[in-house]
Amino acid sequence: GAVVSQHPSRVICKSGTSVKIECRSLDFQATTMFWYRQFPKQSLMLMATSNEGSKATYEQGVEKDKFLINHASLTLSTLTVTSAHPEDSSFYICSARNPSIFWEQYFGPGTRLTVT
Amino acid sequence: KNEVEQSPQNLTAQEGEFITINCSYSVGISALHWLQQHPGGGIVSLFMLSSGKKKHGRLIATINIQEKHSSLHITASHPRDSAVYICAVGRIIQGAQKLVFGQGTRLTINP
Repeated sequence: GAVVSQHPSRVICKSGTSVKIECRSLDFQATTMFWYRQFPKQSLMLMATSNEGSKATYEQGVEKDKFLINHASLTLSTLTVTSAHPEDSSFYICSARNPSIFWEQYFGPGTRLTVT
Repeated sequence: KNEVEQSPQNLTAQEGEFITINCSYSVGISALHWLQQHPGGGIVSLFMLSSGKKKHGRLIATINIQEKHSSLHITASHPRDSAVYICAVGRIIQGAQKLVFGQGTRLTINP
């Protein structure tokens, strides 16, 4: 099946710094990618929808200026957590929509962010 | 009440047992997904359904659109099936495609 990668898989950063997470579709072009957040023992929560060449659409309650999303190419979307705080510590997962099957998404392996 | 409810929340069984995880939803949907999340966190898409039944190896997924209910079955369960299983429904919300997730079912298969 299609493969989506994320980098890094784990990152620890100090409070106040920024962290960039990359999401790549390895064998297909993804015009639409999704960014999710998952707290321990909870399910996934959609943060934003990333569309290639246009601005991301953020879910209610997600700060656009804090979680910067860039989808500059058909195979790469990035999420930058700016001025990270300990409460931003979470598991971040991206997915990419199958360009041929509208409702099918391929999930990345996730990035565990710890802010100290 | 959540739009997507899974039951049970936790399930422990012995190797070889037949496993059923249920998912009920309260809204109209375009598709339903069953996902598997292992302790490391990565998510694997097991099935996407809009009607009927699908089978892949020891896994079977069914959906009843009229009753707004889906089940995931695992036959001859194995310890490697231990994971969190997540039901997610695809909806168009305010013109945008979104997945709405259940809270997950934590499955533990003991040898």
